[in-house]
Amino acid sequence: KAGVTQTPRYLIKTRGQQVTLSCSPISGHRSVSWYQQTPGQGLQFLFEYFSETQRNKGNFPGRFSGRQFSNSRSEMNVSTLELGDSALYLCASSLSDRQQETQYFGPGTRLLVL
Amino acid sequence: AQSVAQPEDQVNVAEGNPLTVKCTYSVSGNPYLFWYVQYPNRGLQFLLKYITGDNLVKGSYGFEAEFNKSQTSFHLKKPSALVSDSALYFCAVRDQAGTALIFGKGTTLSVSS
Repeated sequence: KAGVTQTPRYLIKTRGQQVTLSCSPISGHRSVSWYQQTPGQGLQFLFEYFSETQRNKGNFPGRFSGRQFSNSRSEMNVSTLELGDSALYLCASSLSDRQQETQYFGPGTRLLVL
Repeated sequence: AQSVAQPEDQVNVAEGNPLTVKCTYSVSGNPYLFWYVQYPNRGLQFLLKYITGDNLVKGSYGFEAEFNKSQTSFHLKKPSALVSDSALYFCAVRDQAGTALIFGKGTTLSVSS
């Protein structure tokens, strides 16, 4: 099976712009979660989608949003980019939203905000 | 609130020696614990998890972890380290209120030849 794929892998934007990142989960997986990784804050949970519904949201401002499509693919959007949004954004998929399920991560999208 | 602590920023070990990467957790209720590894410019790779049952969990690439409820620990171990094991290791606990993973700050493992 193919793993989790994320596009694009690298992105450079300027402050004030918006960005959309895409994630395709492992085939058959219905849950997609997003995480932000920075040197200062480490790995932080953004949100989780299951069956096109946001099930859980982390402590991030409303500029961060996401959605999931009927084929389980997910996108996250960041509006009005700030320098502090520079990070590696990781997508993870799991079979379901049960707590014992393993989340499998994609390679990430590295976003640089100038 | 749930939390995970990895008390060592870096662990250095010689190739062929056993390695241990430490993790302690704080949760209310039964913990679901995970270990992941991250190589430079890569995503996280799943190593193993503890859900219930045997306290010794075996995972990928020869790694294992020991769950200790009384010490609230979930240390990652390997009997014989390889240079290729050098990477960043993360311990995580599943948020009791949902399915988010709460990660420790990570431990850099350096294996010298």
